[in-house]
Amino acid sequence: QVQLQESGPGLVKPSGTLSLTCAVSGGSISSSNWWSWVRQPPGKGLEWIGEIYHSGSTNYNPSLKSRVTISVDKSKNQFSLKLSSVTAADTAVYYCARIDSGYDQSYYYYYMDVWGKGTTVTVSS
Amino acid sequence: SSELTQDPAVSVALGQTVRITCQGDSLRSYYASWYQQKPGQAPVLVIYGKNNRPSGIPDRFSGSSSGNTASLTITGAQAEDEADYYCNSRDSSGNHLNVFGTGTKVTVL
Repeated sequence: QVQLQESGPGLVKPSGTLSLTCAVSGGSISSSNWWSWVRQPPGKGLEWIGEIYHSGSTNYNPSLKSRVTISVDKSKNQFSLKLSSVTAADTAVYYCARIDSGYDQSYYYYYMDVWGKGTTVTVSS
Repeated sequence: SSELTQDPAVSVALGQTVRITCQGDSLRSYYASWYQQKPGQAPVLVIYGKNNRPSGIPDRFSGSSSGNTASLTITGAQAEDEADYYCNSRDSSGNHLNVFGTGTKVTVL
């Protein structure tokens, strides 16, 4: 089955750029799914960062949109997150996830059915 | 609206039933999905769509929806169900955004 694995530096300096990659195995990133990034600051809840389709279409959280870029590399079957101008508030566990969707009795629904284990990123000098 | 509101914490006696609610305008247009998260672990999908459980999720977990409220019910709660639970939905603004609920800590007594 599909598995996701995040990778990237665990420590980023303030004002720098956080860069993470999510490798997709057991399936194709070109499937009919969106691929998402979610983060969780220490002791806090989940926050959706954004998502990408294999065509390159993206949607971003408005609160992060000015600093976020999500891209896809179909040749490597992976997608990536870049978050610029980071501060201590960006310290969090970062997860990648697959989004699937459906339609039932006049309602659409979306769900994240596969998650990576998460990677901790600390912003500190 | 892009907010999903959950009660911060609920408790349930072992073997009893607990319902966790999630409120938000987007739930009038989309079914919520529900995630269980235990300390130090990634979230796990437990309910999606009208009331669908992924393979491996016990049938004591069920979901329902009415108006602007989605609910996750655990019937016969077990010690291993103690966790944080988050709802999630698309935003109904039409901007293709995604939003998580504030989370509910479930304690099994």
